[in-house]
Amino acid sequence: EPEVTQTPSHQVTQMGQEVILRCVPISNHLYFYWYRQILGQKVEFLVSFYNNEISEKSEIFDDQFSVERPDGSNFTLKIRSTKLEDSAMYFCASSSDRARNQPQHFGDGTRLSIL
Amino acid sequence: AQSVTQPDIHITVSEGASLELRCNYSYGATPYLFWYVQSPGQGLQLLLKYFSGDTLVQGIKGFEAEFKRSQSSFNLRKPSVHWSDAAEYFCAVGTNAGNMLTFGGGTRLMVKP
Repeated sequence: EPEVTQTPSHQVTQMGQEVILRCVPISNHLYFYWYRQILGQKVEFLVSFYNNEISEKSEIFDDQFSVERPDGSNFTLKIRSTKLEDSAMYFCASSSDRARNQPQHFGDGTRLSIL
Repeated sequence: AQSVTQPDIHITVSEGASLELRCNYSYGATPYLFWYVQSPGQGLQLLLKYFSGDTLVQGIKGFEAEFKRSQSSFNLRKPSVHWSDAAEYFCAVGTNAGNMLTFGGGTRLMVKP
């Protein structure tokens, strides 16, 4: 069964550094998402991306965050200047259609640790 | 805005016993409802989904869930739990307004031998 793949599985970064989290969505999917889960808290929506632009974002997704689909297969999340509170598990997801029509499929996540 | 509540943070059941995990949502229109399971160190795996139609939906691994509009609930059930079902279970709601999913806080299931 096709999978969403995320790399790296664990990223350790110094506070203030830039970090890029990478995702390879399922190949025929058109909608892409990032969520995060701070330890012990709920899974929270960050952003959705369709047709090469952001279609929806949450209050968490401020100017420090950006997303990009640099080629036909990768989908990245960049955090420009990391803060301690950015430490979390970041999940990428993809779907073949809008959320009301098709479910989102999640990757295994990248654990981001900010020192 | 929509929200999801999973009242039980932890549940322990004996292997072979039946299971029901509770999920209540808040949303003014018809929601789209999902259950995901997360094993330690793994991502979120879709168990089942409700979009419309039959309010009793079947999923993978022998799970089912029933949408009850009058109770704003979407409880997950399994008639006989296996030790491999030990994991964290998340209920989520999606809406017509966009593509974001709103998750509940999760229920951690432990299975006693």
